[in-house]
Amino acid sequence: QKEVEQNSGPLSVPEGAIASLNCTYSDRGSQSFFWYRQYSGKSPELIMSIYSNGDKEDGRFTAQLNKASQYVSLLIRDSQPSDSATYLCAVNMFSGGYNKLIFGAGTRLAVHP
Amino acid sequence: DAGVTQSPTHLIKTRGQQVTLRCSPKSGHDTVSWYQQALGQGPQFIFQYYEEEERQRGNFPDRFSGHQFPNYSSELNVNALLLGDSALYLCASSSVAFGDSGANVLTFGAGSRLTVL
Repeated sequence: QKEVEQNSGPLSVPEGAIASLNCTYSDRGSQSFFWYRQYSGKSPELIMSIYSNGDKEDGRFTAQLNKASQYVSLLIRDSQPSDSATYLCAVNMFSGGYNKLIFGAGTRLAVHP
Repeated sequence: DAGVTQSPTHLIKTRGQQVTLRCSPKSGHDTVSWYQQALGQGPQFIFQYYEEEERQRGNFPDRFSGHQFPNYSSELNVNALLLGDSALYLCASSSVAFGDSGANVLTFGAGSRLTVL
């Protein structure tokens, strides 16, 4: 089992729709979760972080966390063509006394006009 | 406020050669992590440096080594290059104040794209 799993996509949604991206993780002790956006040929940029169960909203983005189910999701409302990118789920894992951030393979999102 | 800077941006090497990649962390950050990202894949954790010591390592062979300097900058060295080492190498910095609390918020550099022929 991979430490962080995401559907690779592509996930195709029409402009203005809600895009839903999902992620599961293996380490039940993980406490910090992040969504990064990566445009083609660019480096990842942080768009959301979430540490507690429930929802966290920031503009058009909502992150959802369910630690019991080891599940994290990202909703993008009113999707725009500029949202077309790969979305990386990242989970902070603690081992050997230190934290390290582990990424999923990413889900490619395509928003079409 | 300078972000994370990496050099070189692109480089081409041949199999068996050695390469050194460099990274300067964001101002105020003291921890540097290195990731390898192959085409179409997520970033894979190589190792993390803090106080000039490697404190975490991913599943990479000893051909991958690193160093952190007193000014927190870091180098990634790869020896005996293989074709499979072709990838985007990402440096990310963070503050141990965040890292040890569990909120490991990383800031990424633009990356160094390595092509091995």
